[in-house]
Amino acid sequence: GNSVTQMEGPVTLSEEAFLTINCTYTATGYPSLFWYVQYPGEGLQLLLKATKADDKGSNKGFEATYRKETTSFHLEKGSVQVSDSAVYFCALTGGGSSNTGKLIFGQGTTLQVKP
Amino acid sequence: DVKVTQSSRYLVKRTGEKVFLECVQDMDHENMFWYRQDPGLGLRLIYFSYDVKMKEKGDIPEGYSVSREKKERFSLILESASTNQTSMYLCASSFSGYYGYTFGSGTRLTVV
Repeated sequence: GNSVTQMEGPVTLSEEAFLTINCTYTATGYPSLFWYVQYPGEGLQLLLKATKADDKGSNKGFEATYRKETTSFHLEKGSVQVSDSAVYFCALTGGGSSNTGKLIFGQGTTLQVKP
Repeated sequence: DVKVTQSSRYLVKRTGEKVFLECVQDMDHENMFWYRQDPGLGLRLIYFSYDVKMKEKGDIPEGYSVSREKKERFSLILESASTNQTSMYLCASSFSGYYGYTFGSGTRLTVV
């Protein structure tokens, strides 16, 4: 079945460091891919998405490119801030004709940015 | 701004109580979902609904039920609360999976 694997955290960085959070997936067909962010005590917010191969999603300085050949959707940011400290979830909806619309989530990666 | 509203941010209930968690969306979305989130276990789907009066079990439906009498409202019911249902509960809605979900702020439920 469809699945998402994220790198384990926590990831601890200094302010202005480069961020990469790895995400790989298994899915049939052409899934849509998402990154969600959860700040402490809050629900999840959609950060960015990509709906077809080679699409690049971007928002608030974060980027991720849909790589079908490597089944990956890695999250990157060139210069992190303390305010980026949160839990990040990679997710997909199943591709193909049987897309039920259910999101499948990775386990989440905690990012802590120190001043 | 589009919204998914969960009625309570924090809730404390006693073991054996019947608990209702309410979720309302104002986006005219067909699809609504209930998840629970626990440390080390990620998000687990409890129930979802693709239409009014329709429901489907997710991955961990035991001990829960749902109600969707109106399109905008999706209620999660704990029939007899137990301490192992202490968790963060997240509601979400979507127009279609293609666009992703909009989440509520969550309800942190403690069962004592």
